[in-house]
Amino acid sequence: GQQVMQIPQYQHVQEGEDFTTYCNSSTTLSNIQWYKQRPGGHPVFLIQLVKSGEVKKQKRLTFQFGEAKKNSSLHITATQTTDVGTYFCAGPGSGTYKYIFGTGTRLKVLA
Amino acid sequence: NAGVTQTPKFQVLKTGQSMTLQCAQDMNHNSMYWYRQDPGMGLRLIYYSASEGTTDKGEVPNGYNVSRLNKREFSLRLESAAPSQTSVYFCASSEMTRGYGYTFGSGTRLTVV
Repeated sequence: GQQVMQIPQYQHVQEGEDFTTYCNSSTTLSNIQWYKQRPGGHPVFLIQLVKSGEVKKQKRLTFQFGEAKKNSSLHITATQTTDVGTYFCAGPGSGTYKYIFGTGTRLKVLA
Repeated sequence: NAGVTQTPKFQVLKTGQSMTLQCAQDMNHNSMYWYRQDPGMGLRLIYYSASEGTTDKGEVPNGYNVSRLNKREFSLRLESAAPSQTSVYFCASSEMTRGYGYTFGSGTRLTVV
């Protein structure tokens, strides 16, 4: 079945350093979504990418969809303690209206 | 708007007991979902309902049943709880057309002893 993998599983950074998480799918995706989950909280939708090679920015966060639409990345510039949490990517599963989530990357920011 | 409301927030069950997790959304979304989250496993889809009156299995449906009671409510039932079902359960809803992200509830933390 379809698999969505993320690396790294964990990342510790000093506050002010940059951070990148990578998402890879076993199949071509029509779109990809990114979510953030704060410790003890629930996932919150961040963004959706649809086009091949698409790049979108949200303040310090930069999201990219690969040219082959099988991979994606999330880059955070100059991390802050508020960036702590787990970042998930999710791609549409087979059939309709359901998304398969990646394993997530847990980010810790050391002040 | 409350968004997606899940009850209960915490539950401890003994092996073999049954329970129903409740979920309701007030955003008039067509689609609703149940995911479980285990450490290192990400979010895995248990069941989903693309629209009122339909339900379908996800990645890990064994041991669970669901009911789409109406457009607002989607419940998850554990008929005979097992320790392997200890997890955090999230309900989510979305618009039927892809392109909209999920709105998640705050989760139910279930322990089966």
